[in-house]
Amino acid sequence: GQQVMQIPQYQHVQEGEDFTTYCNSSTTLSNIQWYKQRPGGHPVFLIQLVKSGEVKKQKRLTFQFGEAKKNSSLHITATQTTDVGTYFCAGNYGGSQGNLIFGKGTKLSVKP
Amino acid sequence: GAGVSQSPRYKVAKRGQDVALRCDPISGHVSLFWYQQALGQGPEFLTYFQNEAQLDKSGLPSDRFFAERPEGSVSTLKIQRTQQEDSAVYLCASSLFPDRAWGYTFGSGTRLTVV
Repeated sequence: GQQVMQIPQYQHVQEGEDFTTYCNSSTTLSNIQWYKQRPGGHPVFLIQLVKSGEVKKQKRLTFQFGEAKKNSSLHITATQTTDVGTYFCAGNYGGSQGNLIFGKGTKLSVKP
Repeated sequence: GAGVSQSPRYKVAKRGQDVALRCDPISGHVSLFWYQQALGQGPEFLTYFQNEAQLDKSGLPSDRFFAERPEGSVSTLKIQRTQQEDSAVYLCASSLFPDRAWGYTFGSGTRLTVV
């Protein structure tokens, strides 16, 4: 079935270092969303990417959607302790509007 | 309401017991979704409603799982004859429009433990 692979599973960084998480799908996505889940919390929507090659920025966060719409990345510049949490990508394949396929997430820890 | 409200927050059920989990979406949100999240995993899709219509239930793991949204607002996820593998956090999410450009707003979830 359709699957969204996300790597790495864990990332430990020193505060101030950069962080990147990658998502990959074997088939073309209609769009992709990114969520952040703090420890003990629930997923919080960050952004949606729709267009091939799209790049969006939110302060220190940069989101990219690949040209083939099969991969995506989230890059955080100069991490802060407030960035701690698990980052999920979630892909939609254009079928059921409700069926977002989530990756397993990348758990980010930041050492002050 | 200001956010998506789920109750109960925690539920312990004995194996074989039936449970009902409630979701109050944001007022006026057309779309409502149920997801199951096992420990250390990403949320997995269960079912989707647009108003009162259940448009996709392909993620429900067995016929022990049933969801309804009779008046197009509050939704209930029912699990009959709970099994230990049903232990997970059940997340409800809502969205203003079927177009997901707005993203989903998730509730805090119900943590179900089956003993």
